[in-house]
Amino acid sequence: EAGVTQFPSHSVIEKGQTVTLRCDPISGHDNLYWYRRVMGKEIKFLLHFVKESKQDESGMPNNRFLAERTGGTYSTLKVQPAELEDSGVYFCASSPSNLAGGRTKANEQFFGPGTRLTVL
Amino acid sequence: GENVEQHPSTLSVQEGDSAVIKCTYSDSASNYFPWYKQELGKGPQLIIDIRSNVGEKKDQRIAVTLNKTAKHFSLHITETQPEDSAVYFCAASSGDYKLSFGAGTTVTVRA
Repeated sequence: EAGVTQFPSHSVIEKGQTVTLRCDPISGHDNLYWYRRVMGKEIKFLLHFVKESKQDESGMPNNRFLAERTGGTYSTLKVQPAELEDSGVYFCASSPSNLAGGRTKANEQFFGPGTRLTVL
Repeated sequence: GENVEQHPSTLSVQEGDSAVIKCTYSDSASNYFPWYKQELGKGPQLIIDIRSNVGEKKDQRIAVTLNKTAKHFSLHITETQPEDSAVYFCAASSGDYKLSFGAGTTVTVRA
């Protein structure tokens, strides 16, 4: 089974520009999460989708960040306009619903390789 | 919200020795504690997890212990091998799906 994929792997932009990150979760996973790791610190939660609905967006830093998951499949995270402090690695993760059963443990989240964003 | 502290930030061990990473958490409602391993160029991968109704869990060379009273949990890696070199993250969750992570421990296994 294909894992979580993210695009691009790296992005270098100038302050004030716009960047859009994409995440393709594991097929069939209803839950999709965005996290961010800044400057070697902890990985911080940004938001959680259940299908196409935002379940929890308490970690979104400010209104320059916009996440969407149209159709409940892939998700995009747009930063507009980007600031220097937005630099970091953005991870996407997915998990099935608890009702899905199967071999996956409840709460287990599968992470993508991340997008390294550098704002100059 | 939940606050997870992780120590040490770096750990260097001789191949064959044991490695121990410790984490503390603040939210007494947390009931799920996963550990993730991140290798270079890859995303974090779950290696072991423990729930609040269990005090200890083992999977081959790795084990995790949980002390709910003291709000701390630890990862133990025995007989370390070069492929254990990676960044390890502890995390905690209260069941609402959101994971709160520690800052990570960079483990280096010296051959």
